[in-house]
Amino acid sequence: RKEVEQDPGPFNVPEGATVAFNCTYSNSASQSFFWYRQDCRKEPKLLMSVYSSGNEDGRFTAQLNRASQYISLLIRDSKLSDSATYLCVGAFRSGGSNYKLTFGKGTLLTVNP
Amino acid sequence: SQTIHQWPATLVQPVGSPLSLECTVEGTSNPNLYWYRQAAGRGLQLLFYSVGIGQISSEVPQNLSASRPQDRQFILSSKKLLLSDSGFYLCAWRQGRYGYTFGSGTRLTVV
Repeated sequence: RKEVEQDPGPFNVPEGATVAFNCTYSNSASQSFFWYRQDCRKEPKLLMSVYSSGNEDGRFTAQLNRASQYISLLIRDSKLSDSATYLCVGAFRSGGSNYKLTFGKGTLLTVNP
Repeated sequence: SQTIHQWPATLVQPVGSPLSLECTVEGTSNPNLYWYRQAAGRGLQLLFYSVGIGQISSEVPQNLSASRPQDRQFILSSKKLLLSDSGFYLCAWRQGRYGYTFGSGTRLTVV
């Protein structure tokens, strides 16, 4: 079983739609979680961290359920500019103060006019 | 402010040729540095990480090696490239609890 698994997608939605991305992880030692966004042929960029209490940043809401080992990202009122691949990421401690990131394969989102 | 630089942006190399990709970080000291590879249609795979000068940890057996000759410099190398080494190579450094920042990447095509 892969350490981080995401919805394979792709997702095609109209502007204004609400989109939900789901992710599960198998490494219970994972310390922190993130959602990254990767535009075509570009490097991944941090979208938001994910906290157990849930966190919101404008139209984006992230949730973490440690008991179920489940992470989600919700995008409300989607825009054309939200089109990208969304990567679910877990970080786990690997000796001393070092953390390593494990990436899901990503889910491609296309928002259509 | 902290920045991370990678070069070159694109590279086409013949099979059997050597490789050297460089990554440098500015605005921070003693960063944890990472090399990832993203093959076509696949997720990011951690290749190497370094917690300090001369300290390299390898994640997967492969045709590549890494070195950290200076605090803010991380180099990915190969003596003889294989076709399977093609991919998008990304250097990253860890920004505390806020995740990692990636360089702009090198797209390598081995022909």
